[in-house]
Amino acid sequence: NAGVTQTPKFQVLKTGQSMTLQCAQDMNHNSMYWYRQDPGMGLRLIYYSASEGTTDKGEVPNGYNVSRLNKREFSLRLESAAPSQTSVYFCASTPGREVGYGYTFGSGTRLTVV
Amino acid sequence: AQSVTQLDSHVSVSEGTPVLLRCNYSSSYSPSLFWYVQHPNKGLQLLLKYTSAATLVKGINGFEAEFKKSETSFHLTKPSAHMSDAAEYFCVVSDPGGGADGLTFGKGTHLIIQP
Repeated sequence: NAGVTQTPKFQVLKTGQSMTLQCAQDMNHNSMYWYRQDPGMGLRLIYYSASEGTTDKGEVPNGYNVSRLNKREFSLRLESAAPSQTSVYFCASTPGREVGYGYTFGSGTRLTVV
Repeated sequence: AQSVTQLDSHVSVSEGTPVLLRCNYSSSYSPSLFWYVQHPNKGLQLLLKYTSAATLVKGINGFEAEFKKSETSFHLTKPSAHMSDAAEYFCVVSDPGGGADGLTFGKGTHLIIQP
């Protein structure tokens, strides 16, 4: 099925551990995004990639790094996980950054840091 | 700067009755506006979008929204609620002067459907 695929769906980490969240889209979209969702906060942008080869910080980038591996894939890395990073993470893509495009979201990764 | 206010954090209606989810926005430009729905443990799905064409926008599953510039509102409605409509709904504004991605999300409205 066409869309955005995120792996893993669930993960529990210990404080200080590292991990990479994977995201891939098969819609030939240029722009990809990582958001975190916390109760009562809506979605907040962590990092985005306007096009292959570029990445930029969003609203809450601290503690994260990203890699736009190719046009399809955009990964999010937590180098040293902290309890404050317990959240649901969503990857999204859109054809471009022009205003008016709808975003396609993955089904999310639920991360718990203990 | 742009912002979105969803006026109700929770809305409860009976099955078969109308649904109204309220959203007000502010924007320095001519924005695009979206409603997304999130069912439990799922990602966000686009319900409908307004991009400066017709002010009354029809979406999936019988939902519609009306863009009212004078009131800076984009309320979501449905004539008759169904149990499957129970979910979290997000109003989103997009304009060139917005955040890094041009999007600003509301904090969400949790829709509860009573049998």
